[in-house]
Amino acid sequence: DAMVIQNPRYQVTQFGKPVTLSCSQTLNHNVMYWYQQKSSQAPKLLFHYYDKDFNNEADTPDNFQSRRPNTSFCFLDIRSPGLGDAAMYLCATSRTRRGYNEQFFGPGTRLTVL
Amino acid sequence: RKEVEQDPGPFNVPEGATVAFNCTYSNSASQSFFWYRQDCRKEPKLLMSVYSSGNEDGRFTAQLNRASQYISLLIRDSKLSDSATYLCACYSGAGSYQLTFGKGTKLSVIP
Repeated sequence: DAMVIQNPRYQVTQFGKPVTLSCSQTLNHNVMYWYQQKSSQAPKLLFHYYDKDFNNEADTPDNFQSRRPNTSFCFLDIRSPGLGDAAMYLCATSRTRRGYNEQFFGPGTRLTVL
Repeated sequence: RKEVEQDPGPFNVPEGATVAFNCTYSNSASQSFFWYRQDCRKEPKLLMSVYSSGNEDGRFTAQLNRASQYISLLIRDSKLSDSATYLCACYSGAGSYQLTFGKGTKLSVIP
């Protein structure tokens, strides 16, 4: 089945210790998104790739970076995690960037910062 | 005013009941609306898209009211397995790539 996969499902890191979350997709979608979701909050878009074109949201902290080495994979790097970065990180894909496309989510990575 | 607003609930309904949620959006240029279902500590899963003419899928019916800028989700004959948080989402405009979510409405179906 075509799908969006995220690894690891749970990540524990120490305050200030860099961490990388990964996302892969077999849908062959052009667009990959990273969202942050905290408890009882709406998913918040951090950035997205449209093919190789990186698009950062204006309020995404510099602490968050992303890489997309090929169509299938996308990584979220948190350079110096703070306690406030503990959240669920969701990867999503859509076929194109046109505003009628459905987005499909991976299972998420739950990040704990100690 | 937030772009997308939902009543957080919880809505506690008995099995078999009909329940409806509304979601208001502030940007009149918004296009393409969706309902997602999110189980506790899981990812949002697309439940249905909301078309101008309305959309029905089994026990679920979604409606769009552009004049009053809201979308609705109706669930008939509620099942215990319908217990979840329901998120609405929309794109802000035809050229927008950003899907804006509400915080969700929590539904608990009780035996």
